[in-house]
Amino acid sequence: GAVVSQHPSRVICKSGTSVKIECRSLDFQATTMFWYRQFPKQSLMLMATSNEGSKATYEQGVEKDKFLINHASLTLSTLTVTSAHPEDSSFYICSAKGTSDTQYFGPGTRLTVL
Amino acid sequence: GNSVTQMEGPVTLSEEAFLTINCTYTATGYPSLFWYVQYPGEGLQLLLKATKADDKGSNKGFEATYRKETTSFHLEKGSVQVSDSAVYFCALTFNQAGTALIFGKGTTLSVSS
Repeated sequence: GAVVSQHPSRVICKSGTSVKIECRSLDFQATTMFWYRQFPKQSLMLMATSNEGSKATYEQGVEKDKFLINHASLTLSTLTVTSAHPEDSSFYICSAKGTSDTQYFGPGTRLTVL
Repeated sequence: GNSVTQMEGPVTLSEEAFLTINCTYTATGYPSLFWYVQYPGEGLQLLLKATKADDKGSNKGFEATYRKETTSFHLEKGSVQVSDSAVYFCALTFNQAGTALIFGKGTTLSVSS
């Protein structure tokens, strides 16, 4: 089956620093990648949709200058949390979609901002 | 608009019990329907899917049938195991480029031995 990886799986950083999370589709070409945020015991909140080579489309209420998304190739998308603060601590999950309607999810990245 | 509603949990069962997690949807058009499962501390895994009315998705003993007349996609398993303890998400999407999944709120299943 299709495999999506995320790196790192966990990251702890100081307030004010930036953190980059990578999402890779390992065995298929992802024309679209999605970034979600999940709070404890809650559903996934879509943050943005990115198509390869295009600017990401952000959901309402998501700061595009704070959450920078780059989808430079058909197998890699990155999410950079800039000037992170404790309220940005969360579980970030990416997913990738090829030519079918099925999205495949990465294992998630646990971000803790001190 | 498009939305997914699933039964609130937690659902607590004994091993070998029958499981049903209800899911209904509202959609303009003809969506594909999915069940994803999330184990503690992990991302989501696709459990099963159905792309058109009357399709039945099945995997690992779980089943769900796409019922257009009742706009439902209920998840069932005849005999649950402790290892099935997880959060289950019902979701829909459309087969168009760039279309995101719309999730239900998730249902936590806890199975005890």
